[in-house]
Amino acid sequence: GDSVTQMEGPVTLSEEAFLTINCTYTATGYPSLFWYVQYPGEGLQLLLKATKADDKGSNKGFEATYRKETTSFHLEKGSVQVSDSAVYFCALSYTSYGKLTFGQGTILTVHP
Amino acid sequence: GAGVSQSPSNKVTEKGKDVELRCDPISGHTALYWYRQRLGQGLEFLIYFQGNSAPDKSGLPSDRFSAERTGESVSTLTIQRTQQEDSAVYLCASSLDGGGSEETQYFGPGTRLLVL
Repeated sequence: GDSVTQMEGPVTLSEEAFLTINCTYTATGYPSLFWYVQYPGEGLQLLLKATKADDKGSNKGFEATYRKETTSFHLEKGSVQVSDSAVYFCALSYTSYGKLTFGQGTILTVHP
Repeated sequence: GAGVSQSPSNKVTEKGKDVELRCDPISGHTALYWYRQRLGQGLEFLIYFQGNSAPDKSGLPSDRFSAERTGESVSTLTIQRTQQEDSAVYLCASSLDGGGSEETQYFGPGTRLLVL
């Protein structure tokens, strides 16, 4: 079946550091790929998405590129801020109605 | 406009009791999903509703779990004879029409269930 694997956390960085959170997936076709974020005390919200190979999703300085050849969708940001501290979830959707399959989540903490 | 709301935000119950969790989707959203997040794990799909179509119950872990939705509005997830392994955060999400893998789902804040 479909699955998503994220790099194990937690990840701790200093402000302005470069961030990469790895995500790889297993799917029988060509899913849409998502990054969701959960800030402390808030609900899960979409950060970015890509719907086909080589697409790049971007939002709030975060980027991720859909790599079919490596079945990956790594999340990157060039300079993190304290306000980026959150839990990040990689997910895929492969069915015609959008059921999401999630990775286990990565906790990011950014220190001043 | 208002987002997805869920109630209660927290629920503590004793093993063997029944619990009912409620979800109010975004107005106008015809698709509604329930997920479960157990401690240290990712979210697991439970059930999907789309308009008046038969729901997809393929993610429900046992027959103790059931869910209903009235039209395109409120949904309730019921867990009968709760077990300690049911302890988790239950998340509800809605989307405009569920008509494509790329559609964005909007999540509620979740109900944190603890079974003692």
